[in-house]
Amino acid sequence: EDKVVQSPLSLVVHEGDTVTLNCSYEVTNFRSLLWYKQEKKAPTFLFMLTSSGIEKKSGRLSSILDKKELFSILNITATQTGDSAIYLCAVDPFGNEKLTFGTGTRLTIIP
Amino acid sequence: EAQVTQNPRYLITVTGKKLTVTCSQNMNHEYMSWYRQDPGLGLRQIYYSMNVEVTDKGDVPEGYKVSRKEKRNFPLILESPSPNQTSLYFCASSPGGWGGYEQYFGPGTRLTVT
Repeated sequence: EDKVVQSPLSLVVHEGDTVTLNCSYEVTNFRSLLWYKQEKKAPTFLFMLTSSGIEKKSGRLSSILDKKELFSILNITATQTGDSAIYLCAVDPFGNEKLTFGTGTRLTIIP
Repeated sequence: EAQVTQNPRYLITVTGKKLTVTCSQNMNHEYMSWYRQDPGLGLRQIYYSMNVEVTDKGDVPEGYKVSRKEKRNFPLILESPSPNQTSLYFCASSPGGWGGYEQYFGPGTRLTVT
């Protein structure tokens, strides 16, 4: 059974800090790993990672995948209160169209 | 506007009373999926559909049915709801033919079964 573990479960930091969120996984026939941000409503897509060692970047957010060690990190620099959300990680295997999500990291940014 | 819509957004019902939550997307996406989200358990996939007339079970399909007769619609049916199906439900669609592509989520349906 595919498994995704995110850490920490929750994190509280001050505005301007840099944070690193972790996602480790166990999946048969890995195809991709995805990060989503969930504020009060529906999750919104951040990144899709398929290749090891290649950083994806969007503004202050970046993510990298390590397929050998089976994990990914999501970095947020110069955090802002608008970054407060639950960050979800999911893995997608080949040959099985099911998507498995982790339980998420709840990030709170204090002004 | 490109979007996934769900109805109703909120529903309180009683045990055993059949209900349907509708989901519709206007982006011509092939892949659609239903999730439930519960505290401490994250998002769990109920059913997914890679294209019209093709559906398959996710991780928690018990007690649910789906159908995909048209590309744009993917209703979730609870034939005999029970209190353990009280949850927040999301429908999602993806332009790729699989879930690992970027998914667009609907606004959610909060269901309470008493």
